[in-house]
Amino acid sequence: AQSVTQLDSHVSVSEGTPVLLRCNYSSSYSPSLFWYVQHPNKGLQLLLKYTSAATLVKGINGFEAEFKKSETSFHLTKPSAHMSDAAEYFCVVSVSNTGNQFYFGTGTSLTVIP
Amino acid sequence: DGGITQSPKYLFRKEGQNVTLSCEQNLNHDAMYWYRQDPGQGLRLIYYSQIVNDFQKGDIAEGYSVSREKKESFPLTVTSAQKNPTAFYLCASSMNAGEQYFGPGTRLTVT
Repeated sequence: AQSVTQLDSHVSVSEGTPVLLRCNYSSSYSPSLFWYVQHPNKGLQLLLKYTSAATLVKGINGFEAEFKKSETSFHLTKPSAHMSDAAEYFCVVSVSNTGNQFYFGTGTSLTVIP
Repeated sequence: DGGITQSPKYLFRKEGQNVTLSCEQNLNHDAMYWYRQDPGQGLRLIYYSQIVNDFQKGDIAEGYSVSREKKESFPLTVTSAQKNPTAFYLCASSMNAGEQYFGPGTRLTVT
């Protein structure tokens, strides 16, 4: 069975400080992993994806994530938070042999304090 | 310009009326999805379709119906049987278990 756990429902950081959003997954097979960002009343935008290539994945807007199979984690990081990073973030897993199915975490709301 | 469009952005209906939400994509993706988003609850899968003329129920299909007559289009009907239809609805598409591409969403309010 596949599942995703986002360990923090809310994270607050000061502008200019590092961001860490935590995600753990459970998968019976080799997963693909994604991070999406959602601003209020908008659709979801892909930040980055892991699909069994390099374990350190760089995405847009300075975000990156590291796939750690031994820890079943895919945490999202950014060295320096910007006010525009304030949004909802979703970690998502998919497994090819379940068809085109995606499993979403419940989201982490990021607040950036000026 | 490739992408997914959803219309309208805001929709208001009276209780007891059926309403259809539009989703169109020009990405040539095989798979399409409908999600419902409520505050603090993340995304829940309503229906998905992997090919034309075929679709499967997701986790919360009761009170909803879909069709997939064309590859580009996957409309969602919210029927009067849906007990709490007020929500933000998101459509997405994907190709061969690649990433999903999302539309801008439709906010439905039923009073």
